[in-house]
Amino acid sequence: GDSVTQMEGPVTLSEEAFLTINCTYTATGYPSLFWYVQYPGEGLQLLLKATKADDKGSNKGFEATYRKETTSFHLEKGSVQVSDSAVYFCALSDRGGTSYGKLTFGQGTILTVHP
Amino acid sequence: EAQVTQNPRYLITVTGKKLTVTCSQNMNHEYMSWYRQDPGLGLRQIYYSMNVEVTDKGDVPEGYKVSRKEKRNFPLILESPSPNQTSLYFCASRQGASGGATDTQYFGPGTRLTVL
Repeated sequence: GDSVTQMEGPVTLSEEAFLTINCTYTATGYPSLFWYVQYPGEGLQLLLKATKADDKGSNKGFEATYRKETTSFHLEKGSVQVSDSAVYFCALSDRGGTSYGKLTFGQGTILTVHP
Repeated sequence: EAQVTQNPRYLITVTGKKLTVTCSQNMNHEYMSWYRQDPGLGLRQIYYSMNVEVTDKGDVPEGYKVSRKEKRNFPLILESPSPNQTSLYFCASRQGASGGATDTQYFGPGTRLTVL
């Protein structure tokens, strides 16, 4: 079945540091890939997505590139802010089989940014 | 404002006492689903619905029921809650049903359930 693996957390950074959160996936079909963010006490919000190989999703300074050859979708940001502190989830939605676009999530990575 | 709403946001109950968590969306979306979030496990799908009167099991359906009598509402029912159902629950909706894998899913604010 489909699965998503995220780097172990939590991640603690100083403001303006470079951020990378690794994400790799296994899928039976041809998935769309997503990064969702969960701020404290809130639901999940879409951060960015990519629907085909080599697509780059970007939003709020975050970027991730759909790498089919390495089955990866790593999240990066050049300079993090305290307001980026949240839980980040990598997810896929497989277009194949009978999953009907179910989201399969990684375990989540807690990011804390200190001033 | 386009949104998914859930009620209640917080609930503490006792084993065996039936409860319902409501979910409503105002975006006329066809697809709705329920997830539970547990530490270290991410979110896992409980049930989903492709449209009115069309529902099916997700990955962890045991102990849960759902119904979809109207397009906007998708309640989650726990007939006899147990402590292992203590979790954070999210409702989500998406425009497309079948073949909608590229569509964004919109999540509600979550319901934190504690079963004693």
